[in-house]
Amino acid sequence: ETGVTQSPTHLIKTRGQQVTLRCSSQSGHNTVSWYQQALGQGPQFIFQYYREEENGRGNFPPRFSGLQFPNYSSELNVNALELDDSALYLCASSLEWESANEQFFGPGTRLTVL
Amino acid sequence: EDKVVQSPLSLVVHEGDTVTLNCSYEVTNFRSLLWYKQEKKAPTFLFMLTSSGIEKKSGRLSSILDKKELFSILNITATQTGDSAIYLCEASGSARQLTFGSGTQLTVLP
Repeated sequence: ETGVTQSPTHLIKTRGQQVTLRCSSQSGHNTVSWYQQALGQGPQFIFQYYREEENGRGNFPPRFSGLQFPNYSSELNVNALELDDSALYLCASSLEWESANEQFFGPGTRLTVL
Repeated sequence: EDKVVQSPLSLVVHEGDTVTLNCSYEVTNFRSLLWYKQEKKAPTFLFMLTSSGIEKKSGRLSSILDKKELFSILNITATQTGDSAIYLCEASGSARQLTFGSGTQLTVLP
């Protein structure tokens, strides 16, 4: 186990709704990255937070937003859900982002949008 | 736009075979390349490569990076059924973006 936890494990929402996914990083890891993984594909980078500020962003629309808190927890919020948002959402924590570091992944949240 | 391409997309072998998985990348101001194994949900870390030509080894797995030709390989010798998984590579660059390849699905038959 990596020490990174995510909640909930599974979630079912309908199109147009909003969702909040949560991640608790390893203690001491001040960098967290969020990924979307569709079935049969590699994870797609959504964004990264470092010391509570967005530090980098992938090719996702603004309805994907996040927060990072001082207690090593973070959130991914998705507004106006679309069917294509159905995927496994992974968070990963690491030490300082400036140096190349191993990422520790949580078990993921499986989101289904109907 | 940063890009990571893995090949083959899928591979079926028998126990005892040796496999080589490929990862090529185009990343602005490359920093590192990481290999992960994904069995059910969370990818688990295998190797991090930052320097060319230095082989990283862990048991039957090894990996090497070529920064001139922009690729990495992951070798697995004497494969076992427990090696069946998706193998992912990820490249990071200074654009603060982390790019995964689509993965190689490895199936090891008894």
